[in-house]
Amino acid sequence: QVQLVQSGAEVKKPGASVKVSCKASGYIFTRYVVHWVCQAPGQRLEWMGWINAGNGNTQYSSKFQDRVTITRDTSANTAYMELHNLRSEDTAVYYCARGIGSGSYDDYWGQGTLVTVSS
Amino acid sequence: DIVMTQSPDSLAVSLGERATINCKSSQSLFSNNRDYLGWYQQKPGQPPKLLIYGASTRESGVPDRFTGSGSGTDFSLTISTLQAEDVAVYYCQQYYTITQTFGQGTKLEIK
Repeated sequence: QVQLVQSGAEVKKPGASVKVSCKASGYIFTRYVVHWVCQAPGQRLEWMGWINAGNGNTQYSSKFQDRVTITRDTSANTAYMELHNLRSEDTAVYYCARGIGSGSYDDYWGQGTLVTVSS
Repeated sequence: DIVMTQSPDSLAVSLGERATINCKSSQSLFSNNRDYLGWYQQKPGQPPKLLIYGASTRESGVPDRFTGSGSGTDFSLTISTLQAEDVAVYYCQQYYTITQTFGQGTKLEIK
């Protein structure tokens, strides 16, 4: 069955970077895209960007474009989201989700990774 | 970015009754004979779960009490007979553009 398993919770200081992983199983990793979505406490879901796991092409939200890097390792069936120059308002749960294409819904989601930014 | 606005923000419905959540987009989501609109259910401490895509197509395994309708800019999610396990926050999502966006969420509770 399709599964996306994310890395564990992180606590970071302002100005630091965090890298969250998303390991896929149960499907052909390179035939899909992986979206990254964040959710601050009590807030709506917010799309951050995606990566085409096949060719490595990426697209980022204008809000995060200057601070986020999404990559993938096809040998490990794993996608990564790295957020730089962390601020307290980046405290949120970060989700990866599978998409059929760049403009697609998200049919399977990871369990989420809580990132806490605090001095 | 396309702005998605849901109504109401919260809703309390009796068990067995009908619940309807509305979603309006700032521009049409219709193209290529389909609407690029999805609905998700999120329970506390869990990731979102896809319920509906293409505005009205139920995802595999989703109970048929969940129905999506609408086209263009106005959409609805209806739960025909509310069950206790349906308590959750519901989100609409547009994927018409590469930069997908979500509504603010509607919290559904039991009256």
